[in-house]
Amino acid sequence: ETGVTQSPTHLIKTRGQQVTLRCSSQSGHNTVSWYQQALGQGPQFIFQYYREEENGRGNFPPRFSGLQFPNYSSELNVNALELDDSALYLCASSFSGGYNYGYTFGSGTRLTVV
Amino acid sequence: GQSLEQPSEVTAVEGAIVQINCTYQTSGFYGLSWYQQHDGGAPTFLSYNALDGLEETGRFSSFLSRSDSYGYLLLQELQMKDSASYFCALVTGGGNKLTFGTGTQLKVEL
Repeated sequence: ETGVTQSPTHLIKTRGQQVTLRCSSQSGHNTVSWYQQALGQGPQFIFQYYREEENGRGNFPPRFSGLQFPNYSSELNVNALELDDSALYLCASSFSGGYNYGYTFGSGTRLTVV
Repeated sequence: GQSLEQPSEVTAVEGAIVQINCTYQTSGFYGLSWYQQHDGGAPTFLSYNALDGLEETGRFSSFLSRSDSYGYLLLQELQMKDSASYFCALVTGGGNKLTFGTGTQLKVEL
């Protein structure tokens, strides 16, 4: 079974630009969550998608948005990039209600905003 | 909201046992998870405690006390490859959200 794959692995953007990050969930998983991890910090929950609908959101502004597709893959979109958006963006998949079995994380996309 | 505190750094010798503590504040949660993350890598699930007590998985054990708002991860027979960051995380928000602690960097020395 394949794990969670994210693309691209690294990205450099200019302040004010828009970015789209992509995630393919692990086979058999129907839920995708996105996290932002600043250097030296723990990951922070952005939002979760289940059955193509947003199923919970953290304390992030509306310029952070997402999509989930019928094959359970997902995109994270960030508009009007700010310098503080520089971070590692992690995607995690799970089977709904399967938090006791843990989430499977991808290796992330390292976003640098200059 | 929720908050979790962990020691920032722990150092131990190969073959030893180390305990990483996690104290938390929350109005409610499903359980406490632990994740390992090597530099630049994906967080990897280690364990989950839904109930008070000890859960054992190989060399790793995790403990939860809801009355004390406290948990810990116990690593036995430390190996060099165990050098990594370890995060405790509360499962909240109907089970769809992980709130991570600040992380503990474990250094295993010879």
